[in-house]
Amino acid sequence: DAGVIQSPRHEVTEMGQEVTLRCKPISGHDYLFWYRQTMMRGLELLIYFNNNVPIDDSGMPEDRFSAKMPNASFSTLKIQPSEPRDSAVYFCASSLGAPAKNIQYFGAGTRLSVL
Amino acid sequence: QQQVKQSPQSLIVQKGGISIINCAYENTAFDYFPWYQQFPGKGPALLIAIRPDVSEKKEGRFTISFNKSAKQFSLHIMDSQPGDSATYFCAASTGGNRKLIWGLGTSLAVNP
Repeated sequence: DAGVIQSPRHEVTEMGQEVTLRCKPISGHDYLFWYRQTMMRGLELLIYFNNNVPIDDSGMPEDRFSAKMPNASFSTLKIQPSEPRDSAVYFCASSLGAPAKNIQYFGAGTRLSVL
Repeated sequence: QQQVKQSPQSLIVQKGGISIINCAYENTAFDYFPWYQQFPGKGPALLIAIRPDVSEKKEGRFTISFNKSAKQFSLHIMDSQPGDSATYFCAASTGGNRKLIWGLGTSLAVNP
């Protein structure tokens, strides 16, 4: 399996622009997670889905952030409008549904720079 | 409120030495404690995990020690190698909850 695939790997944009990050989870995985990583705050869970349904979005910082999972093989995280403080590395992860298999597999991340 | 406190923030060890990273938690309902390893430019990857029914788990040079009464768990890396230089995260979760509560990470540097 190719693992969790994220695109783009790097994104540079200007303040106020819309940014869309994309994720393809591992085939057969039931859970999908979006994280943000910064030096100051470490790894923050933004939202996670189970079978394409959002379960917990309490980590989404503001209404400027939205995430969708239209099908089992694709998810997006959108920031509109973007701000410099959104600059971070955004990770997508997926995992199997079996309780004993709570292993999250991470993608390589998208490094976002908002100027 | 951070539910999993990790220390130290950074660690420098000589090749062949023992690296020790500690985590403390508050929620006694936590029943799954993984450690993830992250190399620069990569996403975190599961290294080793433990459940509270055992006090220690060893996989190769990596060992988790778990102290339920003290609500602490630690990662020991024996015979540390330069290739172990990475950021290590501890985490915890409860029951069937898929949500992991993460520590802030420890940056480990192993000098040749």
